[in-house]
Amino acid sequence: ETGVTQSPTHLIKTRGQQVTLRCSSQSGHNTVSWYQQALGQGPQFIFQYYREEENGRGNFPPRFSGLQFPNYSSELNVNALELDDSALYLCASSPRTRVNTQYFGPGTRLTVL
Amino acid sequence: GIQVEQSPPDLILQEGANSTLRCNFSDSVNNLQWFHQNPWGQLINLFYIPSGTKQNGRLSATTVATERYSLLYISSSQTTDSGVYFCAVDGGGANSKLTFGKGITLSVRP
Repeated sequence: ETGVTQSPTHLIKTRGQQVTLRCSSQSGHNTVSWYQQALGQGPQFIFQYYREEENGRGNFPPRFSGLQFPNYSSELNVNALELDDSALYLCASSPRTRVNTQYFGPGTRLTVL
Repeated sequence: GIQVEQSPPDLILQEGANSTLRCNFSDSVNNLQWFHQNPWGQLINLFYIPSGTKQNGRLSATTVATERYSLLYISSSQTTDSGVYFCAVDGGGANSKLTFGKGITLSVRP
């Protein structure tokens, strides 16, 4: 059973650019959530996808958007990058039968200059 | 929304010592997880424990849901236990989002 994977590992962008981060869910999981972790803080919930539909959103502006694909992989897109978007972005998947247990990927570290 | 507080914020131990990490939460929950974040940022699941007691090797956890707290016990600590420990809760609702505490930074000295 493969775990949650994310790509890329690290990314450097400049202010105003757009970025796409990718996540492959653990086998058998159909729910994916994205979190942002600023330096020295706990992760903050961005949004969740279930069966390709957004299933809840945290306190993030619309320039944060996502997709979930039929194979349950997912993308996080951020437009008009700001310096404060610099953070570790974590993807978590959970199986439908145990929807409350979330398993995290290794994260993508985004730096906005 | 639900609030999560972890204490102490920092903990320094000598190898072999025992420790207790605490998580308080402000409302009833239907999920509570403890994670260990390694230096590379990976969040490792330690326990899924919305109530009761569980043990896994040198680690154990207890959640008293009626009193809204959870404890993580580390016995005979090792240098590899160093890192940040997070408690995260799901207060229920349409989605299973986790609300995290600020974490406890544990340093185990040889």
